[in-house]
This record gives sequence, C-alpha cells and structure tokens, in this order.
Amino acid sequence: QKEVEQDPGPLSVPEGAIVSLNCTYSNSAFQYFMWYRQYSRKGPELLMYTYSSGNKEDGRFTAQVDKSSKYISLFIRDSQPSDSATYLCAMSPNGNNRLAFGKGNQVVVIP
Amino acid sequence: DVKVTQSSRYLVKRTGEKVFLECVQDMDHENMFWYRQDPGLGLRLIYFSYDVKMKEKGDIPEGYSVSREKKERFSLILESASTNQTSMYLCASSLGLRHDEQYFGPGTRLTVT
Repeated sequence: QKEVEQDPGPLSVPEGAIVSLNCTYSNSAFQYFMWYRQYSRKGPELLMYTYSSGNKEDGRFTAQVDKSSKYISLFIRDSQPSDSATYLCAMSPNGNNRLAFGKGNQVVVIP
Repeated sequence: DVKVTQSSRYLVKRTGEKVFLECVQDMDHENMFWYRQDPGLGLRLIYFSYDVKMKEKGDIPEGYSVSREKKERFSLILESASTNQTSMYLCASSLGLRHDEQYFGPGTRLTVT
C-alpha cells in the first residue's frame, strides 16, 4: 500500500461549485499536513498547512484533517476558473523534513 | 518571499551526456531537495541535503548524484543521461525547523533523446 493515496481525477466542476479533494494515508506518525497547488508548467506552491487534527480556513479554502480515519480533505468554495490546477496533498511525521506526496488531483473549473 | 530558481526551464540532451541542473534559493534555508515529477507517478524524491556538503538519498537516487558546496546552491547531476530520465525536475527548499513547508522552483523539463 502506498503511503499516501490520492485520486488523480481529473475533476471538472462548474464555476461557483464547491470542490472537494481528499487523501488517505497509512502512516499514523504523520503530524504535518499540507496542500500544494500546481499550475500547468509551474512548480507547486504551498496552499494550506495544518498541524495534527482539525480544520483550517483561509478565504475560500478549508483544510480538514481526521487523524483517526487517516483522511485529509481540501474544500474550495465558490470555485473560479483560476482555481484550475493540480492539487497535491503532502504530509510528514513530526520532526522529519521529508514529505510524502500524493500523486495530485487535477481540477478544472468550467466558466 | 522565498525564491527558488532553477537554471533552465527546458533542456534537451543526448543519451550519454553529463547533465547539470542547478538550483539556488535566496532565503538561507537549511534543507534543499531534488524531485522528479512524472504523469501517474507524482513527485518522487531523488536526493536531499540538510546542510552544506551533506546529502541523503531519496527514493530514487539511481543514476543521479548531487552537490552542495554552498548553502544556497544545490546541483543535480546526471552522470550519463538516459531516455528514462526524461522528466520534469523540481527543486525545493525548506527552513529546516520542525515545520516542513517546502518551497518549489519552477521546474526544469528535461528531454533526453
């Protein structure tokens, strides 16, 4: 079993819809959870960062971590065409600088 | 803002050539990383470095080597390029504290013919 599982999509939604993305993982030592956004032909950029369980909100973006289920989610409200990108989840154990990445989920927001 | 730059956006090399990919970060980060990104395989760690002259193998180090002579610069070397090394190569850096946000460069798309 791969450490981090992420459905690659692609996921197409109409503008204004809620986008829901998720990752599952197998390593219970993971403590730090991140979402990166990658536009075509660009490097990934950090979008959301969460430590341990709980929710974090930043504008239209909400990240959720459920450590008991080993499941993390990213929600994008009022999606815009500019949100069209690949979203990668990433996580690491406490104090370890190596990240385990999901394969990425391509999102297309249709105007 | 953290800035990570990579020497080339696109590179075409022939099989057997020695290839150097350079990465520079301007935020005094301790850690630097080299990944390759392939469709269906995601990001895979090749090598990383947590200090000058220090390096550790990642998940797929075969066919690659690295050099970190200065804190801000991390080089990836393909000793003898092969067609299966055609990929997008991404460099990243992180502060080195317990929180591990990595900041990525724009990537180098390498084609080996």
